[in-house]
Amino acid sequence: QITLKESGPTLVKPTQTLTLTCTFSGFSLSTSGVGVGWIRQPPGKALEWLALIYWNDDKRYSPSLKSRLTITKDTSKNQVVLTMTNMDPVDTATYYCAHRPAGIAVAGHFDYWGQGTLVTVSS
Amino acid sequence: SYELTQPPSVSVSPGQTARITCSGDALPKQYAYWYQQKPGQAPVLVIYKDSERPSGIPERFSGSSSGTTVTLTISGVQAEDEADYYCQSADSSGTSVVFGGGTKLTVL
Repeated sequence: QITLKESGPTLVKPTQTLTLTCTFSGFSLSTSGVGVGWIRQPPGKALEWLALIYWNDDKRYSPSLKSRLTITKDTSKNQVVLTMTNMDPVDTATYYCAHRPAGIAVAGHFDYWGQGTLVTVSS
Repeated sequence: SYELTQPPSVSVSPGQTARITCSGDALPKQYAYWYQQKPGQAPVLVIYKDSERPSGIPERFSGSSSGTTVTLTISGVQAEDEADYYCQSADSSGTSVVFGGGTKLTVL
């Protein structure tokens, strides 16, 4: 049974750096083809993909946010960490991490999602 | 940047068929996926690789692809199907994930 859970601050100030941790179980990030992604959703708005890290430490970022994002993994702890710099009120959103199953497609899709964590950016 | 276009809303009566489209230039090359999201909940995958249905998803959910448009079809819509639906794919290089803007399905 695959589960994922996001953790991190619920409130950050403008210009600060956000660090979110995804702790997962039921799979290993050392298994060929597997990945973990981050997706966010501002209140009342659409899903937006942020980043994806693969079993081989390959990383992909949203082109529009690439300069602000860093994704890393700790396979021994079953964790993936996302950092986003220079936070702004427009970054207020629910942040999800999700499991990317092994497959042919490079980007692929997400078959298991965490419950999400709401991050508010305000002074 | 690459975009996937969905209608903002679709309305159907119970028992009817709902069709939600998603358009994008790279869809002939890249698979499409569909997610259902109910208020306050995380998205749930309902279709993968254009037309495959994950285990546990009712048979009334189906997907199809034609050129630059993919379609999620819900046959015999039930009240519980009222939700937001998002398509997802990748850009032409296959390396960036892209979500559509979402479609709110209302069951009248």
